[in-house]
Amino acid sequence: SQQGEEDPQALSIQEGENATMNCSYKTSINNLQWYRQNSGRGLVHLILIRSNEREKHSGRLRVTLDTSKKSSSLLITASRAADTASYFCATDAYGNTGKLIFGQGTTLQVKP
Amino acid sequence: DAGITQSPRHKVTETGTPVTLRCHQTENHRYMYWYRQDPGHGLRLIHYSYGVKDTDKGEVSDGYSVSRSKTEDFLLTLESATSSQTSVYFCAISERADTEAFFGQGTRLTVV
Repeated sequence: SQQGEEDPQALSIQEGENATMNCSYKTSINNLQWYRQNSGRGLVHLILIRSNEREKHSGRLRVTLDTSKKSSSLLITASRAADTASYFCATDAYGNTGKLIFGQGTTLQVKP
Repeated sequence: DAGITQSPRHKVTETGTPVTLRCHQTENHRYMYWYRQDPGHGLRLIHYSYGVKDTDKGEVSDGYSVSRSKTEDFLLTLESATSSQTSVYFCAISERADTEAFFGQGTRLTVV
């Protein structure tokens, strides 16, 4: 089953613009994580936000979490061509087991 | 990349043959995971391990078995490979159940 649903599935923007990706999930969680995957590579962890947190920043990344709406968003500010990748949200929907359920991802293209 | 090595990186095998994929870590992390990534499905958990000799099933475990006899190694075996198991397989590790996961570079398996 797909716990995380990401929106949009694909996003194309110009360098310097902001990119926003959304993730919705179905069950209660302890934390939600965002990962990036460059073409043909493994996933790289970006940010982990816990259920008692509402917002978290890391460099040009800003993640929000709304547990009442079961949704999260990832904002990339001042995007660069190097940000071109697929972005996935993942939730620990099985309780504190470490097992993650991933969404299908948002493919971001940043045009120079 | 975190100290995670997957082997082999690419493999072509015939239907009905057994296949073993290896994940080796140098981080001494307790948790290890095997995921598969397919178009349209994102990443799905096959099996995971929460310690030496401690393993549990994920959401797509049929046709797969795992073993973990040492902290550093987590083996995934396809008992009798089928074409539906053609996929990219990712190993991941995490220090605790509530921390981020680090992914290997993936193994591309083709079953013909």
